[in-house]
Amino acid sequence: GAVVSQHPSRVICKSGTSVKIECRSLDFQATTMFWYRQFPKKSLMLMATSNEGSKATYEQGVEKDKFLINHASLTLSTLTVTSAHPEDSSFYICSAGLRSSYEQYFGPGTRLTVT
Amino acid sequence: AQSVTQPDIHITVSEGASLELRCNYSYGATPYLFWYVQSPGQGLQLLLKYFSGDTLVQGIKGFEAEFKRSQSSFNLRKPSVHWSDAAEYFCAVGKGASGTYKYIFGTGTRLKVLA
Repeated sequence: GAVVSQHPSRVICKSGTSVKIECRSLDFQATTMFWYRQFPKKSLMLMATSNEGSKATYEQGVEKDKFLINHASLTLSTLTVTSAHPEDSSFYICSAGLRSSYEQYFGPGTRLTVT
Repeated sequence: AQSVTQPDIHITVSEGASLELRCNYSYGATPYLFWYVQSPGQGLQLLLKYFSGDTLVQGIKGFEAEFKRSQSSFNLRKPSVHWSDAAEYFCAVGKGASGTYKYIFGTGTRLKVLA
């Protein structure tokens, strides 16, 4: 149980375009989803927290207009990187959790490369 | 501010040797503590967690960790390392109320296993 998927696993896009990453909880309803960014050989940096049906809460220093997060249902959250630039290239990981729990379940990650 | 410190960036051990990965946290209240493992290009897999109760926690793959409040530590141990244990290990502390909690990750320890 508690499986989280991400799609796509890898994506390459041109500079200036937008790319959407999906995060799905496959066997449970996730009231909260989290988006992390991981730079090469670095730790995970929390970007934002989203609760189903409400606006995401972004961490300090994360551009809301660049990283659009939607959590429209209890099983799906999306992260859209708008007007991507090479510096946005990174490994993006989502996680999902329950409002009543302190445990997060992580997706396999999405490798974004902006050329 | 809350923080998690993993003092060792890299650790190399021989296969069959014992392992201890250090984790220290700074958090005012009783923390929820986690250890995750990440293989290259993959997401995070939960090894074990501590919420309350017995301070010695058993996890998957033969790992255990001990919560020591007096030392603000949650060190991960394994009595005999296998070559497949080579990976990146992250300690994390969860903070906040359920539903609004966040994880703070340490910087990670990269484990190399010599045959």
